[in-house]
Amino acid sequence: EAGVVQSPRYKIIEKKQPVAFWCNPISGHNTLYWYRQNLGQGPELLIRYENEEAVDDSQLPKDRFSAERLKGVDSTLKIQPAELGDSAVYLCASSTAAGTSGFGPGTRLTVL
Amino acid sequence: GENVEQHPSTLSVQEGDSAVIKCTYSDSASNYFPWYKQELGKRPQLIIDIRSNVGEKKDQRIAVTLNKTAKHFSLHITETQPEDSAVYFCAASIRTDKLIFGTGTRLQVFP
Repeated sequence: EAGVVQSPRYKIIEKKQPVAFWCNPISGHNTLYWYRQNLGQGPELLIRYENEEAVDDSQLPKDRFSAERLKGVDSTLKIQPAELGDSAVYLCASSTAAGTSGFGPGTRLTVL
Repeated sequence: GENVEQHPSTLSVQEGDSAVIKCTYSDSASNYFPWYKQELGKRPQLIIDIRSNVGEKKDQRIAVTLNKTAKHFSLHITETQPEDSAVYFCAASIRTDKLIFGTGTRLQVFP
């Protein structure tokens, strides 16, 4: 079984530029999560999808962050414009109703 | 909302010794408690989890205990090996919907 796939693995941009991250969950996993992990800290949930519906986006900074999960499979997380404080690892995870299946490798974002 | 505290932040042990990491949670409705191991530059990997209807769970050298009354749970690693060195995160949630993570424990096992 293939794991959660994310791209790109690394991204370096200048502040005020836009950036997008892509996630392909494990086949058949209806629930998809985007987490942000700052250096030396635990992951923090940004948004959770059940199929194509965002059921929890309370921690998503909606002024600059947006996400979509068209057709309830792949998902894209976008930041526009990026700020210095957005530098972090962005992790995607997916799961079935039985529990969290695991995380993708993450995208390490550096904002200069 | 849920708040998870984790201690210690760093832990150094000699190979073969045991390591214990403790977490407390605030929301008595939480019923799912996973533990993740994260090596440098890699993704968090689920190593063991426990649900609130169980007090203890063991998988080879790793065990987790849960005290619902006190709202704390612990990870126990016995016969530690250098490859156990990593950052360990506890988490808590209601069902598995919204994991709230602890701040992590950096475990170093010296040969």
